[in-house]
Amino acid sequence: DQQVKQNSPSLSVQEGRISILNCDYTNSMFDYFLWYKKYPAEGPTFLISISSIKDKNEDGRFTVFLNKSAKHLSLHIVPSQPGDSAVYFCAASEAGEKLTFGTGTRLTIIP
Amino acid sequence: EPEVTQTPSHQVTQMGQEVILRCVPISNHLYFYWYRQILGQKVEFLVSFYNNEISEKSEIFDDQFSVERPDGSNFTLKIRSTKLEDSAMYFCASSGGTTYTGELFFGEGSRLTVL
Repeated sequence: DQQVKQNSPSLSVQEGRISILNCDYTNSMFDYFLWYKKYPAEGPTFLISISSIKDKNEDGRFTVFLNKSAKHLSLHIVPSQPGDSAVYFCAASEAGEKLTFGTGTRLTIIP
Repeated sequence: EPEVTQTPSHQVTQMGQEVILRCVPISNHLYFYWYRQILGQKVEFLVSFYNNEISEKSEIFDDQFSVERPDGSNFTLKIRSTKLEDSAMYFCASSGGTTYTGELFFGEGSRLTVL
């Protein structure tokens, strides 16, 4: 039961360019969405979030877009830096309860 | 910066043995969680804990699993009789403070290897 899907297991982007990571969800009751970044042998680290009442949230180089009608969200990183190389997990929550994670996208920034 | 700490970082155990994984959540947080990640797979929810009781658990969290907050600072996950398929990275997380925003703070994880 994959309620949150990240269809791209990996993505390579040139340093300085824009990285776009995508996420789709099926549960229309999700009302809060988050992106986590994970390095090997470390726990996920919160990156940015968005409530379902908004369609965009920006924090420095990171912007999350939410399209509720399409049940789709994306994370834009611009400009991409080598330190951004990590696995990115999309997660969703319903009424502040547990997070349901996607399968992750491994982002590699090429210097 | 406050953080969630977990011990041990790695535990190797024989099948059938009991294991206790320990976590110290961020001190003013009110909600506590255990997640796990089997190698190469997604991070999966196990259990959430609030006000000294389980608030939600997944189907993974069967009778072999239990959680406890024994002393107001530690939050433990016990697996009574480990199976090979319990081998995974176990992450503790906490959230809350005065307002629950949905953002979870994760520890670095405890790797469990069941032989």
